[in-house]
Amino acid sequence: NAGVTQTPKFQVLKTGQSMTLQCAQDMNHEYMSWYRQDPGMGLRLIHYSVGAGITDQGEVPNGYNVSRSTTEDFPLRLLSAAPSQTSVYFCASSPTGGDNEKLFFGSGTQLSVL
Amino acid sequence: GQNIDQPTEMTATEGAIVQINCTYQTSGFNGLFWYQQHAGEAPTFLSYNVLDGLEEKGRFSSFLSRSKGYSYLLLKELQMKDSASYLCAVRPLSYNTDKLIFGTGTRLQVFP
Repeated sequence: NAGVTQTPKFQVLKTGQSMTLQCAQDMNHEYMSWYRQDPGMGLRLIHYSVGAGITDQGEVPNGYNVSRSTTEDFPLRLLSAAPSQTSVYFCASSPTGGDNEKLFFGSGTQLSVL
Repeated sequence: GQNIDQPTEMTATEGAIVQINCTYQTSGFNGLFWYQQHAGEAPTFLSYNVLDGLEEKGRFSSFLSRSKGYSYLLLKELQMKDSASYLCAVRPLSYNTDKLIFGTGTRLQVFP
């Protein structure tokens, strides 16, 4: 099992550009989520999904879109990148999103918006 | 509001014991996690507590007191590889966006 795979590892964008961060998991997990991690702040939830075809907003959803067409994939789209979106992004999954389930994290994407 | 507090940085010596504290104020409580994150890497799961008491797992133990809104992670026989950030995360009872609230993390440096 590869676990949770994120691509790319690094990305530089100009303000206003759009891009998609890819996330795939091969553990047949129903729950998938996107977090961003900024210095001096805890991981913050952007969007999450409890299964194919179902997505919902997290704490900081503005400027991001997600879709969940398959169980395996959960891409995060930046519609029009802004410098405030410079951050490290982590995708995470768990079997069902149950309260006692640990999260499995991808290796992260470091995004810089100039 | 939701708030989790943990020290920003700690230092310790190889072979020693270190305790990393976490206090929380959340809308209800439904479990507390500790994750380890090495610099430039993804967080990895260490422990989960939902009932009061101590959970021991090898060199690492985690304690929870729900009445005090308090947890600690205890690391024994410290090794250089334990230098990392330790993230406390609480699952509140809210069913909205707050599925898991993370603290800012405690950066632990272990010296020889």
